[in-house]
Amino acid sequence: QLQLQESGPGLVKPSETLSLTCTVSGGSISSNSYYWGWVRQPPGKGLEWIGSIYYSGSAYYNPSLKSRVTISVDTSKNQFSLKLKSVTAADTAVYYCARNYCTTSSCYPGDTRWFGPWGQGTLVTVSS
Amino acid sequence: DIVMTQSPDSLAVSLGERAAINCKSSQSILYSANNRNYLAWYQQKPGQPPKLLIYWASTRESGVPDRFSGSGSGTDFTLTISSLQAEDVAVYYCHQYVVSPLTFGQGTRLEIK
Repeated sequence: QLQLQESGPGLVKPSETLSLTCTVSGGSISSNSYYWGWVRQPPGKGLEWIGSIYYSGSAYYNPSLKSRVTISVDTSKNQFSLKLKSVTAADTAVYYCARNYCTTSSCYPGDTRWFGPWGQGTLVTVSS
Repeated sequence: DIVMTQSPDSLAVSLGERAAINCKSSQSILYSANNRNYLAWYQQKPGQPPKLLIYWASTRESGVPDRFSGSGSGTDFTLTISSLQAEDVAVYYCHQYVVSPLTFGQGTRLEIK
């Protein structure tokens, strides 16, 4: 059974860089059938897609965050990571990692579709 | 960006009764090349991550009870719970994945009346 687990600091200072890692267990991140994504949820609010990455390293980002986001993958560790720079209080949220399905069993570039399963999420607070 | 608007924002239904949540997209999410609607539904219980219920607008994820069903096409979609159970209390989100950026509805809170 596939499981995902986020890890990283729960407190980040304004203007600094938020860094999180998602560890995938019970399956290989190197599958050609999925992307791997990050979604965030500010406290009491809705869901916002941050971006997704393929095991080859090809990443796609939400244009609203693209200038500040980098998603990377480490297939040797079965992990993918999120970096969000120049954070402000508006970036305070629960950050989820999730498997990101493709249209068919073989993904094409940008073929990021629905999510499942999701990690438990980690709350990151931006505050001095 | 495609804006997803859910209605109502909150809903209270008696146990055993039917619950229906609506989702409207700002443009069609039906892809004509494969005649599929690029829409998913998720359930989020308090303190938990979202859980996938339905994709392709009407395909139930493995393990999801058959009281959950999805319908609709183009811009208008509905998630229906045929007979509400206590464990269905949650916030429900629709999600379009036809174009980037992927976007979600604002959520509908479902409670027991």
